[in-house]
Amino acid sequence: GQQLNQSPQSMFIQEGEDVSMNCTSSSIFNTWLWYKQDPGEGPVLLIALYKAGELTSNGRLTAQFGITRKDSFLNISASIPSDVGIYFCAGQKDYGGSQGNLIFGKGTKLSVKP
Amino acid sequence: EPEVTQTPSHQVTQMGQEVILRCVPISNHLYFYWYRQILGQKVEFLVSFYNNEISEKSEIFDDQFSVERPDGSNFTLKIRSTKLEDSAMYFCASSVGQGETEAFFGQGTRLTVV
Repeated sequence: GQQLNQSPQSMFIQEGEDVSMNCTSSSIFNTWLWYKQDPGEGPVLLIALYKAGELTSNGRLTAQFGITRKDSFLNISASIPSDVGIYFCAGQKDYGGSQGNLIFGKGTKLSVKP
Repeated sequence: EPEVTQTPSHQVTQMGQEVILRCVPISNHLYFYWYRQILGQKVEFLVSFYNNEISEKSEIFDDQFSVERPDGSNFTLKIRSTKLEDSAMYFCASSVGQGETEAFFGQGTRLTVV
């Protein structure tokens, strides 16, 4: 099946540092979504991207939809302890107006040293 | 803020038993989904549901699985005869529909098959 390659798998950073993670695919997607998942919880939507080249911010988070539609990145600026968690990218295709399913990356586990 | 709610939060069942996982999607959403996440792994799509029928399903969603919207608010996932490998977190999600593809996830049901 289709796969998203998400990297890095995990990262340890100092509080206050900037973080960057990305997802790539061999397939084109019409939508890229970034979710955060805390232990025992469901994924929480952070940012949704709908157009190639789109750059969107949500507070300290910035994400971009790659021009080729095959990749996306997420940046977190000035990280804080509550940024700890697993970040998932998800790509979605539309099929003539019908909602395609979300294909998730394997996640980036973020740990912040206080 | 509207949210997707799932019950129960944790279900333990014996192998071979039937289980029904319940979800109440966000009220004005039209598309409903079930995903699962085996411990430590990525989120995987199971099925999407629109206009009272399945619109897409993955190869995981075999004859042991079924979905139903028995009334105007609930959306259920039934596993007819559970197997050990069905143990996972099951997430329900919903989205508004065309043009707005952001899927919002519930907190999940942890299914443990013993």
